[in-house]
Amino acid sequence: DQQVKQNSPSLSVQEGRISILNCDYTNSMFDYFLWYKKYPAEGPTFLISISSIKDKNEDGRFTVFLNKSAKHLSLHIVPSQPGDSAVYFCAANPTNFGNEKLTFGTGTRLTIIP
Amino acid sequence: ETGVTQSPTHLIKTRGQQVTLRCSSQSGHNTVSWYQQALGQGPQFIFQYYREEENGRGNFPPRFSGLQFPNYSSELNVNALELDDSALYLCASSSLGATSGETQYFGPGTRLLVL
Repeated sequence: DQQVKQNSPSLSVQEGRISILNCDYTNSMFDYFLWYKKYPAEGPTFLISISSIKDKNEDGRFTVFLNKSAKHLSLHIVPSQPGDSAVYFCAANPTNFGNEKLTFGTGTRLTIIP
Repeated sequence: ETGVTQSPTHLIKTRGQQVTLRCSSQSGHNTVSWYQQALGQGPQFIFQYYREEENGRGNFPPRFSGLQFPNYSSELNVNALELDDSALYLCASSSLGATSGETQYFGPGTRLLVL
């Protein structure tokens, strides 16, 4: 049972344009959502997060939007840069667990075309 | 400040064997979480250790076990290896009690191949 879903395995975007990565979840107990970025041969690195009490969080070129009623979140990267090419994972943290026991999606491979 | 390190980087075992993977947590962190990432999948939570005690477990059988040492480094042991255990094993360290997941730092992983 995939509780966090990233339905697009890959996405290609022109450099300078906006990249939009999507994520859906099914578990209503999820309270905190994170995006991680992964380069080959490296572990995932934290990118940005959002609490369920918010609907938007922005950090530089990265913005995460949360639609709790639709159980949907998205990551916007603008403008996209070649260094953004990586696999992006959406992850969720359930409220009745401790911290850091994350449930991950299957990832979206983002390719930025120069 | 040293980051999270894992050893070995790659490992090949045969079905039925046992394997031990190691993780050194980031300085100042007291919690280690282990994840399994199968090919084409996202990381799946195996278990978490906090101050040498298991603090939560995902949907993995008992042949997956772990240890955490007084210096907060950790081991993941897998007995009776199966072909489906072939995956990238990631460990992540953090300080329990932090309010958000961004305090979790991942190591580069150990790639295990079971033949």
